[in-house]
Amino acid sequence: DAGVTQSPTHLIKTRGQHVTLRCSPISGHKSVSWYQQVLGQGPQFIFQYYEKEERGRGNFPDRFSARQFPNYSSELNVNALLLGDSALYLCASSGAAGTSGRGSYEQYFGPGTRLTVT
Amino acid sequence: DAKTTQPTSMDCAEGRAANLPCNHSTISGNEYVYWYRQIHSQGPQYIIHGLKNNETNEMASLIITEDRKSSTLILPHATLRDTAVYYCIVQYNDYKLSFGAGTTVTVRA
Repeated sequence: DAGVTQSPTHLIKTRGQHVTLRCSPISGHKSVSWYQQVLGQGPQFIFQYYEKEERGRGNFPDRFSARQFPNYSSELNVNALLLGDSALYLCASSGAAGTSGRGSYEQYFGPGTRLTVT
Repeated sequence: DAKTTQPTSMDCAEGRAANLPCNHSTISGNEYVYWYRQIHSQGPQYIIHGLKNNETNEMASLIITEDRKSSTLILPHATLRDTAVYYCIVQYNDYKLSFGAGTTVTVRA
């Protein structure tokens, strides 16, 4: 079975530009989360989407936005890029949003998109 | 914010068991202990999770103390491919994973 896929693998943008990153979850998974990982640090939570609704948002500015499509794939958009946005952007999928009362859900991560802002 | 404490780094000999400790003294009764690892430049990989019973799968074993304030991840026969950063995370539901700095494990031949 295919795992979580992300595109593109790498991209280079200049300050002030806009970027769109894409993620396809594991078949059957309805929840997608996005994380940012700056070099040398652990991943930081950005968003979680479940059934096309935003279920959670981390401490990121409004320049970051996301959406989930009917097929459960997702896009992460970042406007007005800053040098500090250079990072590995990770997408993770899981079976549910964690609101059904069941307490444990493992998340499965994609390989990430390496964004470099110059 | 991370609720766990892990050693910064540890070495392990190839073929030997690697025991990775994690302290989570403020864990709540309904929070699970998760372990993920991240091999250089790849996405994190789920390893195992548990609530209060010890757990084992094809990758590792998870030993949780009776008071649930600490746990140990055991890689039974470490290989060079197990060299990675290992993250111990406690949470209830999958709302978000709060990654700390993790333990950098180096398996040496």
